[in-house]
Amino acid sequence: DAKTTQPNSMESNEEEPVHLPCNHSTISGTDYIHWYRQLPSQGPEYVIHGLTSNVNNRMASLAIAEDRKSSTLILHRATLRDAAVYYCILNRDDKIIFGKGTRLHILP
Amino acid sequence: NAGVTQTPKFQVLKTGQSMTLQCAQDMNHNSMYWYRQDPGMGLRLIYYSASEGTTDKGEVPNGYNVSRLNKREFSLRLESAAPSQTSVYFCASLRDSYEQYFGPGTRLTVT
Repeated sequence: DAKTTQPNSMESNEEEPVHLPCNHSTISGTDYIHWYRQLPSQGPEYVIHGLTSNVNNRMASLAIAEDRKSSTLILHRATLRDAAVYYCILNRDDKIIFGKGTRLHILP
Repeated sequence: NAGVTQTPKFQVLKTGQSMTLQCAQDMNHNSMYWYRQDPGMGLRLIYYSASEGTTDKGEVPNGYNVSRLNKREFSLRLESAAPSQTSVYFCASLRDSYEQYFGPGTRLTVT
């Protein structure tokens, strides 16, 4: 199974950008990189995904290293509502395995 | 469009009892999933189904069985519940291989 490594927790100040790192050194050529987040007492929700190129959507940006062995989720301006657990996942043939994720704390 | 629905929302079982968790999606997605989440932990994949009529084991399949009844429905059965199966169970479906939609979860307690 495709594995990812993330820091257990991170802190950021409100209204500042947040960079959440993820290592996936065993990624294969067809694995998509997905990010999800889980707010307290809710199921996970999709944030963004990518294969090789950097991606932007209304929630976040995804920066993918040239060798694809790491990626960074960027929240451009964190709010208190962004406090959640963020999961970096490799989708290999639609078998989607979550790791432990990074718990993001936002300081007012 | 209800998305992914799960029943029941809460359940208490005694050790050794059996039950089936139901999941349905109305988005015409091919792939469906069952995860469990223990307190303070990440999600662990129990079983998944890439298409109607197929099921595959995930990380923690022991003690569970699944049925992909049709494209809409994917059920999870506990034949003989154990306290170690106390958890929150999430069902999900997958759109276009990149976006999973999750149900609200079933909170199961086994005493």
